[in-house]
Amino acid sequence: DAGVIQSPRHEVTEMGQEVTLRCKPISGHNSLFWYRQTMMRGLELLIYFNNNVPIDDSGMPEDRFSAKMPNASFSTLKIQPSEPRDSAVYFCASSFWQTEQYFGPGTRLTVT
Amino acid sequence: KQEVTQIPAALSVPEGENLVLNCSFTDSAIYNLQWFRQDPGKGLTSLLLIQSSQREQTSGRLNASLDKSSGRSTLYIAASQPGDSATYLCAVPNRDDKIIFGKGTRLHILP
Repeated sequence: DAGVIQSPRHEVTEMGQEVTLRCKPISGHNSLFWYRQTMMRGLELLIYFNNNVPIDDSGMPEDRFSAKMPNASFSTLKIQPSEPRDSAVYFCASSFWQTEQYFGPGTRLTVT
Repeated sequence: KQEVTQIPAALSVPEGENLVLNCSFTDSAIYNLQWFRQDPGKGLTSLLLIQSSQREQTSGRLNASLDKSSGRSTLYIAASQPGDSATYLCAVPNRDDKIIFGKGTRLHILP
């Protein structure tokens, strides 16, 4: 397996633009997690899905953020409109229930 | 190459006892270290974040220390409770945007 796949790896956009981050979990995993990493706040859980259903989105910073998982092999995290303070590295991770979470390589987002 | 080690791998203690979890890392050029709690079927919950310029952080019954020069961090849990049972992970971010996790300590608090 190729592991968790995220795209794009780097994204530079202007304030106010819509940003869509993509994640393909490891085949067979039924839990998917979106995290955000910044130097000041460390790694923060944004939202996670079990069997494609959002379970806990309390970490989503505000209404500008939304996440979907239309099927077991794909998820998106959308920011609309983007702001400079959204600049961070966004990680997707997947697991099979209670087992170890496998992280993707991350998407480095820069909003100017 | 950064490596993170956590000792012990598993720990069982009676309720009410204080305990210490250990984390060591090989590359001291870190800008922060983070402790997480993992409960079955859930995302990682951040417990404490220590910046490289700090020596310790406290949150309630939890206290985390950082000694960059020796490559060590400890998580101290006071007056343990059954609800503290979980897997505890420490992690450091790498220079190339990777997060390096230890394998965790599975903690079981005996009622």
